[in-house]
Amino acid sequence: DQQVKQNSPSLSVQEGRISILNCDYTNSMFDYFLWYKKYPAEGPTFLISISSIKDKNEDGRFTVFLNKSAKHLSLHIVPSQPGDSAVYFCAATLDYKLSFGAGTTVTVRA
Amino acid sequence: KAGVTQTPRYLIKTRGQQVTLSCSPISGHRSVSWYQQTPGQGLQFLFEYFSETQRNKGNFPGRFSGRQFSNSRSEMNVSTLELGDSALYLCASSPGQLTYNEQFFGPGTRLTVL
Repeated sequence: DQQVKQNSPSLSVQEGRISILNCDYTNSMFDYFLWYKKYPAEGPTFLISISSIKDKNEDGRFTVFLNKSAKHLSLHIVPSQPGDSAVYFCAATLDYKLSFGAGTTVTVRA
Repeated sequence: KAGVTQTPRYLIKTRGQQVTLSCSPISGHRSVSWYQQTPGQGLQFLFEYFSETQRNKGNFPGRFSGRQFSNSRSEMNVSTLELGDSALYLCASSPGQLTYNEQFFGPGTRLTVL
């Protein structure tokens, strides 16, 4: 039962442009949402998070938006850089259990 | 500070066998979590250990088990392997009570079941 879904398996964006990654969830009880970045042959690394009581959190080039009524989460990366090419996972927590989406592979073109 | 290490990095087994994977957390970290990554399902939570006690468990069959030792190192065991168990198994450690911005993942163990 996939409670967190990333419906776009891949995204290609030009360097300098905005990358928008989307994530939908089904469980309205999730209390915290996170984004992770993963390079090949490495484990995921934490990127940014947002509490369920907020609708926006910003950290440098990364901004996460939360729309609770739509059960939708998005990550904006502005501007996109070549080093951003990776797999991005969104995740949600409930009772200290993390539920992950299947991931979106981002490719930043020069 | 050394990162999370997992051994072995790659493993090939046949159906019906059992396997043990090992995870050494970052020094001083007491919480270890295990995840399974498959292409279609993404990352799925297996279980979390803290101070040698399992605190949380995901929706996996009883063939999947784990333990944590007094030095915080953790092992994960899968018995009676099935083809669908082929996956990347990741462990992650955090200092104490699970705090996600302080959770660090290892590189994973790639298990192939033939």
